[in-house]
Amino acid sequence: SQQGEEDPQALSIQEGENATMNCSYKTSINNLQWYRQNSGRGLVHLILIRSNEREKHSGRLRVTLDTSKKSSSLLITASRAADTASYFCATDVDSSYKLIFGSGTRLLVRP
Amino acid sequence: GAVVSQHPSWVICKSGTSVKIECRSLDFQATTMFWYRQFPKQSLMLMATSNEGSKATYEQGVEKDKFLINHASLTLSTLTVTSAHPEDSSFYICSADLTGQGSHNEQFFGPGTRLTVL
Repeated sequence: SQQGEEDPQALSIQEGENATMNCSYKTSINNLQWYRQNSGRGLVHLILIRSNEREKHSGRLRVTLDTSKKSSSLLITASRAADTASYFCATDVDSSYKLIFGSGTRLLVRP
Repeated sequence: GAVVSQHPSWVICKSGTSVKIECRSLDFQATTMFWYRQFPKQSLMLMATSNEGSKATYEQGVEKDKFLINHASLTLSTLTVTSAHPEDSSFYICSADLTGQGSHNEQFFGPGTRLTVL
């Protein structure tokens, strides 16, 4: 079952602009992770934020987590055409370490 | 490091046949691997958790007799789609968990296997 929803479902921006994607989830979590998937490929791990963290940075990526609202956001700054992909949040909800994925955001960065 | 491979990368089979998909952790040992299914333009749906040396744990709604999982070694898990039908056509992705090896549940994903059942 899916943990939650992501919005927008699709996002089209111009190269150089920032892209913001949001993820909402339903249950308490241990941590939340963001992944990128290029069309027809496997997933690439981008960043993990623990439940006791509020913000994390990695290069052009900034992730926030609001556990009171059960939501997270992924910001990609100064986007590039190569950032075109689908982005998924995934939550680690219990001791089994299995991940439950959100519905995903398809990002298109126009050159 | 932390590379996961899948074989085959794509397979086409006739309805009624069985297909085996392999998932290997190439440079680390994984006591736990996960199998996901992804339909076009949709998210990943967890099918089952594969534990080395024990039975897999299936998610609700996933038929264990149809999707046979074997995790015989610390580097290999296999998913066999038995008596495949066109509705089983999908993208199957595995992941291996690095928990216990210095990370916080960072999973590494294989490149996926595209199954088409005619």
